[in-house]
Amino acid sequence: GENVGLHLPTLSVQEGDNSIINCAYSNSASDYFIWYKQESGKGPQFIIDIRSNMDKRQGQRVTVLLNKTVKHLSLQIAATQPGDSAVYFCAETWIGNQFYFGTGTSLTVIP
Amino acid sequence: EAGVTQFPSHSVIEKGQTVTLRCDPISGHDNLYWYRRVMGKEIKFLLHFVKESKQDESGMPNNRFLAERTGGTYSTLKVQPAELEDSGVYFCASSQDSRSDLGTEAFFGQGTRLTVV
Repeated sequence: GENVGLHLPTLSVQEGDNSIINCAYSNSASDYFIWYKQESGKGPQFIIDIRSNMDKRQGQRVTVLLNKTVKHLSLQIAATQPGDSAVYFCAETWIGNQFYFGTGTSLTVIP
Repeated sequence: EAGVTQFPSHSVIEKGQTVTLRCDPISGHDNLYWYRRVMGKEIKFLLHFVKESKQDESGMPNNRFLAERTGGTYSTLKVQPAELEDSGVYFCASSQDSRSDLGTEAFFGQGTRLTVV
C-alpha cells in the first residue's frame, strides 16, 4: 500500500505486504530528516533518519528514501506487521533549528 | 537510562483555569523542545531551550503560554488562562546537540493530553 503526500492521511495494508508512506517536506534548506512512529497514548518514537547528503538509508525492515529535487521523503516498511499500526510522521530540520513535522499518516495493518 | 518524562499524562481543566505541564529531559541533554498536537493536525513547534536559555520561541501561540527551564534541567509550560483551543497533546523532546550535522535525533516524552472544557 502507498500514501501520497498529505492528501491521504490513512493507509491500510494487509499483514505481510510492504507499506510506503510518503511525505513532502517544505524547506529546501532542510538537511536532516527523521521518521517517527507514534502509537496511541505514546510520544513519537524514532524510526530512522537520513541526512541530505544521502538518498537512501536502510534499517531493520525500514528504508527511507530522500529525493531533494522534489523535496520528497518516503518510508518503506517491509513485511508489515500488526505492531506497525500507528501514525507515522516525517520531520525535517536544518542546522540549529527545531524539527518541523508533517500532518502524519495513520497506518492500519489488516491481519 | 530514563527517557524524557512528562507530567501529568492527562489534565482536564475548565476554561479560565491555569495548568502547568512539566518535562524532565534526558540527563545531559542541553536541548529541550516543546511541541503541541491538536486533534488531527500536525505536531507544531512551540519553543526550544538550549540549557536555560530560550533559543527560539517563535511557535508560542500567545502570551497565555509561559515556558521556563530553571537551571537548564526540567522545564515547565504554563497556560494561564486556558482556553478551549488549547486542548491537545503537548510533547516535550530533548536532544544532545541541536546541530543537525551531527544528525542528533530528538527523543520525545509520552505527552500530556490537555483537555479544556
